[in-house]
Amino acid sequence: AAGVIQSPRHLIKEKRETATLKCYPIPRHDTVYWYQQGPGQDPQFLISFYEKMQSDKGSIPDRFSAQQFSDYHSELNMSSLELGDSALYFCASSLRDYTVEDTQYFGPGTRLTVL
Amino acid sequence: QQQVKQSPQSLIVQKGGISIINCAYENTAFDYFPWYQQFPGKGPALLIAIRPDVSEKKEGRFTISFNKSAKQFSLHIMDSQPGDSATYFCAASMGGGTSYGKLTFGQGTILTVHP
Repeated sequence: AAGVIQSPRHLIKEKRETATLKCYPIPRHDTVYWYQQGPGQDPQFLISFYEKMQSDKGSIPDRFSAQQFSDYHSELNMSSLELGDSALYFCASSLRDYTVEDTQYFGPGTRLTVL
Repeated sequence: QQQVKQSPQSLIVQKGGISIINCAYENTAFDYFPWYQQFPGKGPALLIAIRPDVSEKKEGRFTISFNKSAKQFSLHIMDSQPGDSATYFCAASMGGGTSYGKLTFGQGTILTVHP
């Protein structure tokens, strides 16, 4: 079965550079979530999109922006990178169906290292 | 403030034993409680989930017990195996409003099963 695809899997950037992370949800899934997981930490919600519209926003710095495109893939753009942005970034997708459990399926993650 | 509190932080059990991980939540608007398993460098994978209208759900060796009045739920892993060694996260989400589906995670439990 198709899974959530994230690219790149690893990314190394210098401070103050920009980074773009991509997420390709499971086909027919209409909702995308982004989470940030620091070393030894639990995943923290950043932002979500439903049918290409932003639906909720968490603790996402103003330096970060994201969008969902017409083909439902999503991109997380990160500017003015700081050392503290080094983390695993996960994308998850789900199919919003109010009658059943909307399971979120996570991608393998992008490991961002800021030097 | 941690809306979902998980304990213990780490757990060591012998092969064949029972692993028990506990979680407590604050927000009574939460109505979906999944457990995720995460291996190092991988994305979280859904193990089992429950809604507050049932007190227990069992799938194979994994059982969730749910106590709505106490706002607590727990994961029991029967006949624990070395392959179960991973980090386990409880989570909670709500099915309405702009925060639909957003997962709030517990702090995680590192489970080690000795052969």
